[in-house]
Amino acid sequence: EPEVTQTPSHQVTQMGQEVILRCVPISNHLYFYWYRQILGQKVEFLVSFYNNEISEKSEIFDDQFSVERPDGSNFTLKIRSTKLEDSAMYFCATMDSTSYNEQFFGPGTRLTVL
Amino acid sequence: GENVEQHPSTLSVQEGDSAVIKCTYSDSASNYFPWYKQELGKRPQLIIDIRSNVGEKKDQRIAVTLNKTAKHFSLHITETQPEDSAVYFCAVPLERSQGNLIFGKGTKLSVKP
Repeated sequence: EPEVTQTPSHQVTQMGQEVILRCVPISNHLYFYWYRQILGQKVEFLVSFYNNEISEKSEIFDDQFSVERPDGSNFTLKIRSTKLEDSAMYFCATMDSTSYNEQFFGPGTRLTVL
Repeated sequence: GENVEQHPSTLSVQEGDSAVIKCTYSDSASNYFPWYKQELGKRPQLIIDIRSNVGEKKDQRIAVTLNKTAKHFSLHITETQPEDSAVYFCAVPLERSQGNLIFGKGTKLSVKP
């Protein structure tokens, strides 16, 4: 069964550094999302992406965040200047056009900002 | 925006008992209601979902019921087993979005053998 994959599984960085988190969606999926989960808390929506542009973003997704799909396969989340409070698990999720709202989550990237 | 409330936050049952988790939402236009199971350190996995044109859906030991009038939906697990122990999240799509999910705060279910 096809799965969403994410790399790296764990990223440790210093405060102020840039990080790029990568996701490979399921091949026929057209809608892409990033969610964040701070340890022990609920999953929070960050951004949705469709047709090579951002569809919606939450108030968490400020100017320090960006997303792109540079090569038609990887879907990336960049945090320009990391803060301590960015430490969390970041999940990519994807959805095809025929299963409205049924989203498939990747295994996540645990980001630790020191 | 959509507001999703989930109760209880923790639930402990004996193996074989039933477990019920409830979510309420605010947007009456919502039409899709998924439940996700998250084991420790793992990704959320869809276990069951329901659309607004039905009131109940079952899949073996798991069922979801929907009351659109009262704007709540519930997850029912019967004959619980230790491997059902996990955190369960309900979610509702943000209104007029492309499926952006708003999650409840989660319920930590512990099934004691």
